[in-house]
Amino acid sequence: QSVLTQPPSVSAAPGQKVTISCSGSSSNIGNNYVSWYLQLPGTAPKLLIYDNNKRPSGIPDRFSGAKSGTSATLGITGLQTGDEADYYCGTWDSSLSADFNWVFGGGTKLTVL
Amino acid sequence: QVQLVESGGGVVQPGRSLRLSCVASGFTFRSFGMHWVRQAPGKGLEWVTVISFDGNNNYYADSVKGRFTISRDNSKNTLYLQMNSLRAEDTAVYYCARGSGGSCYSRWFDPWGQGTLVTVSS
Repeated sequence: QSVLTQPPSVSAAPGQKVTISCSGSSSNIGNNYVSWYLQLPGTAPKLLIYDNNKRPSGIPDRFSGAKSGTSATLGITGLQTGDEADYYCGTWDSSLSADFNWVFGGGTKLTVL
Repeated sequence: QVQLVESGGGVVQPGRSLRLSCVASGFTFRSFGMHWVRQAPGKGLEWVTVISFDGNNNYYADSVKGRFTISRDNSKNTLYLQMNSLRAEDTAVYYCARGSGGSCYSRWFDPWGQGTLVTVSS
């Protein structure tokens, strides 16, 4: 059971838009920056979005991030078959019961139909 | 280019030990906090541990606290993970990743290494 909640799967047709949600609490998303990671099959995760809504160099503007309260959202427009992958959100969790703890969502598998 | 390369994975019996290494290149290793993140087969990502840029601070996930030790040798641009008292549930691909700054607190992880597989089985 992940601290951050993501839908297990989403799907959409090529060229369409999809959003992936990431729900948390005030001890994590509500008071910390969110980042998103893309993991293509059989490869290491790759940074996709950082500081809630910023894109590293080389990441196309088809990918966007947003945060509101204790939830974050990843948006992907102009879907391509190459976008089929697992997507993870992550952030620090600063709850009183933990020393220092980074948490990830359970991951969302994107299928481009 | 900025690169992280892990090594040291393999098959180990429950209760035994293993040490992973992560060699960094293409950036000033001694300036960044470093993390280990693992992924069990078919599962999601789990943060394991972090060490500050100078090695003076570190933190662990509850699942590995007291069994795993993170360390670094800045003269060799190398990060380590000493894993003792291994359990079947420690079976995973272990990734090293660079933090966003020098402290243990990190706003993101980038880049990630290619990972090294640890299998704990009798």
